[in-house]
Amino acid sequence: AQTVTQSQPEMSVQEAETVTLSCTYDTSESDYYLFWYKQPPSRQMILVIRQEAYKQQNATENRFSVNFQKAAKSFSLKISDSQLGDAAMYFCAYRRGRLGNEKLTFGTGTRLTIIP
Amino acid sequence: NAGVTQTPKFRILKIGQSMTLQCTQDMNHNYMYWYRQDPGMGLKLIYYSVGAGITDKGEVPNGYNVSRSTTEDFPLRLELAAPSQTSVYFCASSSGASEAFFGQGTRLTVV
Repeated sequence: AQTVTQSQPEMSVQEAETVTLSCTYDTSESDYYLFWYKQPPSRQMILVIRQEAYKQQNATENRFSVNFQKAAKSFSLKISDSQLGDAAMYFCAYRRGRLGNEKLTFGTGTRLTIIP
Repeated sequence: NAGVTQTPKFRILKIGQSMTLQCTQDMNHNYMYWYRQDPGMGLKLIYYSVGAGITDKGEVPNGYNVSRSTTEDFPLRLELAAPSQTSVYFCASSSGASEAFFGQGTRLTVV
């Protein structure tokens, strides 16, 4: 069974600084998707970034980028120029294959605090 | 642009009561899901559906039932509520080749 591990229950960063959130996963599949979701206090699950396993290039979305190490099964999220609005729970998620009937497997989350 | 809409947002149930959590999406997605999120944990899949008339169990289906009569709607039924079902429930939908879009969640407390 696939598992997703987030080893940092809490992280904090000074506003405008850079922070990296860690995620490792276990799978025997070669074709899969990885996601980072943000959950602010409003509870809404918001997609931050996604990575297709077959793509070697790391995904980027504005201030958010990933370091995808397929052989090491590592998928970290880097947030540059941290802003107060980045404060939230961040969940790493894995989905096998490319079909929607494959479930998302979530990590336990990392709570990110932004220090003004 | 509504996306995925869940109702209600909050609910308190007494042990043994039943209720239905409503979920509707306006993106014409075939795939829909129900997750629960317990404190300090990630989301766990309860049930999912790949299209109207087709549903299947996820990781934690016991105590729940679902139906999918239309593409848009995917209600979750709780029968005989128990304290262990106290959680936040999320409905989500996906076109299949993309990420899942989530509703705002329902906080359910069983007392």
